[in-house]
Amino acid sequence: QKEVEQDPGPLSVPEGAIVSLNCTYSNSAFQYFMWYRQYSRKGPELLMYTYSSGNKEDGRFTAQVDKSSKYISLFIRDSQPSDSATYLCAMTFGANNLFFGTGTRLTVIP
Amino acid sequence: DGGITQSPKYLFRKEGQNVTLSCEQNLNHDAMYWYRQDPGQGLRLIYYSQIVNDFQKGDIAEGYSVSREKRESFPLTVTSAQKNPTAFYLCASSGTGASNEKLFFGSGTQLSVL
Repeated sequence: QKEVEQDPGPLSVPEGAIVSLNCTYSNSAFQYFMWYRQYSRKGPELLMYTYSSGNKEDGRFTAQVDKSSKYISLFIRDSQPSDSATYLCAMTFGANNLFFGTGTRLTVIP
Repeated sequence: DGGITQSPKYLFRKEGQNVTLSCEQNLNHDAMYWYRQDPGQGLRLIYYSQIVNDFQKGDIAEGYSVSREKRESFPLTVTSAQKNPTAFYLCASSGTGASNEKLFFGSGTQLSVL
């Protein structure tokens, strides 16, 4: 079993839709949870960072962590064509040991 | 602007050849990392370094070598022993103290075999 599982998609939605991206994990020691956005042939950029359980909101993006279910989510409201990218979840229990999901490719259709 | 610079953007390797990928950062970060990204496999850690003149193997270090002679530089050499080198290589760095789990990535190098 992989440490982090993420549905690779691809996921296509119309512009303005609410997008839900999810990851599950097996290691209950994970404390720090991140979402990265990666445009084609570019490096990932940090989108959201959450410590432990709870929600965090930043503009159109909301990250949720449910440690009891070992489940994290990223919601994108009012999705835009510029949101089309691959979204990677990542998590760790400390520095130098980051575990990544395989990424979900999202396309927002105008 | 502070950031991580990887070069070249594209690199081609002939059989039996060693090639070196460059990574430079001006973020004053102590820790630097090299990841390999293959389609459908996510990011896999090759090597990381927490301080100058020190580095540790990651999950897939075989066929690769690194050096860390300067804080801002962490070059990766893909040796001839790496039989399947075609991949997208990403360099990253992180700071120390609070939120040192956050990685900042360069724009990547696509390595292909001729």
